[in-house]
Amino acid sequence: DVKVTQSSRYLVKRTGEKVFLECVQDMDHENMFWYRQDPGLGLRLIYFSYDVKMKEKGDIPEGYSVSREKKERFSLILESASTNQTSMYLCASSPRMSRVGANVLTFGAGSRLTVL
Amino acid sequence: SQQGEEDPQALSIQEGENATMNCSYKTSINNLQWYRQNSGRGLVHLILIRSNEREKHSGRLRVTLDTSKKSSSLLITASRAADTASYFCATGETSGSRLTFGEGTQLTVNP
Repeated sequence: DVKVTQSSRYLVKRTGEKVFLECVQDMDHENMFWYRQDPGLGLRLIYFSYDVKMKEKGDIPEGYSVSREKKERFSLILESASTNQTSMYLCASSPRMSRVGANVLTFGAGSRLTVL
Repeated sequence: SQQGEEDPQALSIQEGENATMNCSYKTSINNLQWYRQNSGRGLVHLILIRSNEREKHSGRLRVTLDTSKKSSSLLITASRAADTASYFCATGETSGSRLTFGEGTQLTVNP
């Protein structure tokens, strides 16, 4: 019954490594999002995408990039990981036209990244 | 920037009691949503209330919205140990806009 799948639940990387976090959804949703979650800061939006090959910066895009080559897949890339990117990363998706008239998100289980 | 701010940050109650969590926000909104997160997992959507609504119910959940005070509350009645989780409010400024989340309330329901 899992609808948003994040490829890795736990990752440990070293400073300077390139990190790929993958997210796949099977609900044919147009919108996809990447958030990071830190204690005391809640969820902060990194990047989002409203369509294939489209991307828009969220509130904290620095140090991150994204790729959306296919509708179902949204990848978050850390070009050169740093210790301050140690966090829980959450992927989410939503349909463009929701039957409830609002942007309701379906989240993945999260990827906990530790950068040493 | 954080739009929603939950209050309290942490709440501990006994099974069977009611739990009330509050959310305040700063700008005009189209809708406000509540999500739940079990420890170490993703968020799950609970309930949505639109700006022209004042109250919504879903099972043991009751949400109120006061747009004049820019605040919302989530009431969980007859709480159970399984309700132990973090609860987040999220606001959307338009019907299709991105959501902005608060910092969450950690609810602990003791058996």
